[in-house]
Amino acid sequence: GQQVMQIPQYQHVQEGEDFTTYCNSSTTLSNIQWYKQRPGGHPVFLIQLVKSGEVKKQKRLTFQFGEAKKNSSLHITATQTTDVGTYFCAGTINQAGTALIFGKGTTLSVSS
Amino acid sequence: DSGVTQTPKHLITATGQRVTLRCSPRSGDLSVYWYQQSLDQGLQFLIQYYNGEERAKGNILERFSAQQFPDLHSELNLSSLELGDSALYFCASSKQIGGMADTQYFGPGTRLTVL
Repeated sequence: GQQVMQIPQYQHVQEGEDFTTYCNSSTTLSNIQWYKQRPGGHPVFLIQLVKSGEVKKQKRLTFQFGEAKKNSSLHITATQTTDVGTYFCAGTINQAGTALIFGKGTTLSVSS
Repeated sequence: DSGVTQTPKHLITATGQRVTLRCSPRSGDLSVYWYQQSLDQGLQFLIQYYNGEERAKGNILERFSAQQFPDLHSELNLSSLELGDSALYFCASSKQIGGMADTQYFGPGTRLTVL
């Protein structure tokens, strides 16, 4: 079936180090969204990417959508303890698609 | 606070029982989505309703059913519960039918424990 794979599953960094999570789909995606879930919380929307090769930045976070629209990445520069949580990518398969297919997430822990 | 409310917050029940989870979407949102989150399976899409009609179906078991009422709140019914149904159940809502440019806003979740 349609799958969205995300790696790594877990990542521990020292505060100030960079962090990247990667998302890969077996099928071309019409768009990809990224969500963050803090420990004990619920997923919160971060951003949506739609165009092939698109790059968007939010402060220390950089999001990329691959040229083939089958992969995406989230890069955090100089992590802070507030970045702790699980980052999910989620995509829709076609323009009429409504269901988001979520990756299993990357859980980031940061030590100071 | 996303504006999506879910009740109850916690639910503890026994195997074989039936429970109902309730979700009220954000004001103005027409779509409601249900997700199951467990440690080993991640966030699994169950079902979506748009303006009262079923719009998309995911990995929802036959023992589970949902509906969206005229006031747009939704209920997820889980029956013949098994130990493996223990999970966090999230409801999310969005303005439109979903897909591109339609952000989903998640509620706080209902933690179901089946003993």
